[in-house]
Order: sequence, then structure tokens, then C-alpha cells
Amino acid sequence: DVKVTQSSRYLVKRTGEKVFLECVQDMDHENMFWYRQDPGLGLRLIYFSYDVKMKEKGDIPEGYSVSREKKERFSLILESASTNQTSMYLCASRRGEQFFGPGTRLTVL
Amino acid sequence: GEDVEQSLFLSVREGDSSVINCTYTDSSSTYLYWYKQEPGAGLQLLTYIFSNMDMKQDQRLTVLLNKKDKHLSLRIADTQTGDSAIYFCAESKGGNNRKLIWGLGTSLAVNP
Repeated sequence: DVKVTQSSRYLVKRTGEKVFLECVQDMDHENMFWYRQDPGLGLRLIYFSYDVKMKEKGDIPEGYSVSREKKERFSLILESASTNQTSMYLCASRRGEQFFGPGTRLTVL
Repeated sequence: GEDVEQSLFLSVREGDSSVINCTYTDSSSTYLYWYKQEPGAGLQLLTYIFSNMDMKQDQRLTVLLNKKDKHLSLRIADTQTGDSAIYFCAESKGGNNRKLIWGLGTSLAVNP
């Protein structure tokens, strides 16, 4: 059974904290993605990676960075969390169809 | 430009058919996907159709593709309360294009 896992389902952080969201896939996929999902705005692509150490900005990269040191792991980093980064964060990986993790609901106070 | 559009809400009665519509703008799309998202969960692939097909049927699901009008639809027969979810349409282009282009999602409410 193919799997994309995310390190936390729920996370509460304070403004200014550095936040790491981890994503792991077991399908040997080259492509991995981070989205955020907000009501009425659908899925918005933050960053994606098409190979180890390779990354490309998505539609809303500001305030975020990513790291892909190993093929199976793609991390999203909020260098200094702000309240407008409160959202549901979804990781996905893809070769043909795209597989999603269960999501991390992040609240920044 | 890249754009995938869906209506935001649909309400049906249990046992009726649901039809969720999607339009896209890029005629070079190769695959078109339907994903389902239940409350509090990630997205799961429901079905997909290759651009050289007109129709695909999978149990209660029927996908229709009209390439001329760039229109995709998902029909759910005998809709059940467990079908209440958000349904996303997405398109994929060929070649090195790695991203899917997503609609905003249609929230389907099934009333008993």
C-alpha cells in the first residue's frame, strides 16, 4: 500500500517560531509537493521538488523554504511563523497520479 | 493561461445522481483527474481519464470528457451520504511538466 506520511496531524506554534513540517513517501517518486489549503482558495502550491536537492517555487513561496536531502523526504520550513500561515498543509508525491499525505493543520498563535 | 474552474457547491438528495462539472483552458492537457477529500483528510484519487478518451466508467462513477469544449464532468450514480466531500478536478500536461493544475474544489452535500 503506497504511502505519504506527514510528521504531525495537528501543530500549534507561536509567532516567530521556526517550524518544520516533514513529509516522507515510500514510492520512490521523483516529484514531491507542498501545498496549503484554505477555505475558498483551494490548493495553492508553495514549493515542489523534482529530485534530491532540487526545488522550484510554486505560486506562494514567500515565508517558506524547503529541503530535500533524501529522495523520500521533503521538508517545509517556516523560518519565522506568522499568524497568516495558519492553514492546512498537504504534502504529495507523484510519478503519474499524485498521492497525498493526510495533512498537517498548523495554528500559529 | 492555466485555469481549471469548478462550481463551489452542489447539493443532492440521497439516491439521486450527482454531476460535478469542470472546465479547463489548456488543450495540451494529457490526463485529467478527479480527487475526493473527506473532512479533515488528504486528497484521494477517485478516477482519471486520458485526453484521447471520451468516457470512462468505474462502478458508480462516470467521467465524460468533451475536448472541444474543454469540459470534464464526474457523475456519481445513487449518491450516498458517504459521498459528501470536496471533489477536485486537476489537469496534467505532458512532457516535463511536473505540476498538476487544480480547480478550487466542489463541495458536495448529500441530504437524506
